Amino acid sequence: EAGVTQFPSHSVIEKGQTVTLRCDPISGHDNLYWYRRVMGKEIKFLLHFVKESKQDESGMPNNRFLAERTGGTYSTLKVQPAELEDSGVYFCASSLLPGQGTEAFFGQGTRLTVV
Amino acid sequence: KQEVTQIPAALSVPEGENLVLNCSFTDSAIYNLQWFRQDPGKGLTSLLLIQSSQREQTSGRLNASLDKSSGRSTLYIAASQPGDSATYLCAVAGGSYIPTFGRGTSLIVHP
Repeated sequence: EAGVTQFPSHSVIEKGQTVTLRCDPISGHDNLYWYRRVMGKEIKFLLHFVKESKQDESGMPNNRFLAERTGGTYSTLKVQPAELEDSGVYFCASSLLPGQGTEAFFGQGTRLTVV
Repeated sequence: KQEVTQIPAALSVPEGENLVLNCSFTDSAIYNLQWFRQDPGKGLTSLLLIQSSQREQTSGRLNASLDKSSGRSTLYIAASQPGDSATYLCAVAGGSYIPTFGRGTSLIVHP
């Protein structure tokens, strides 16, 4: 069974450009989470989807970040326009709904560098 | 707001030692606690998941314990090997089921 996959693995963009990160969760996992790790800091929560609905987006840093999960399958995280402080590793995770098992499985992450 | 602290931040030990990594959390109303491993440049690999009703979980040389009342978990690694070198992360999920991470413990096991 495929795990959580993220595309691209690395992205280097210039300040002001737009970048879209993609996450494919494990099939059947209704919970999908986005996290970010900025260098030297802990992994921080960005937002949580249950199927296609945003349950909690309290961790989104500002309105330059837009996450979508059309049809409750894969998710995208778009940063527009990118700033230098957006550099970091973006992780996606998925899990089953409570009662079905709550272990969170993480992807390999997308390393974003804004120059 | 849940806060997760991991001690020590870094650890360097000779091969063969038994290790204890510590994780503490401020809100004891948790749903589960997960220990992860991260190798440099890689994603997060789940090691052990402890549900709030459990006190410990074991997998091979790894044993994780949970004491909700005191807000603590420990990850015990027996007979450490150089291949155990990685960053170990503790994540606590509360009623929202959203894992909150500590900063991790960076472990080096030298031959």
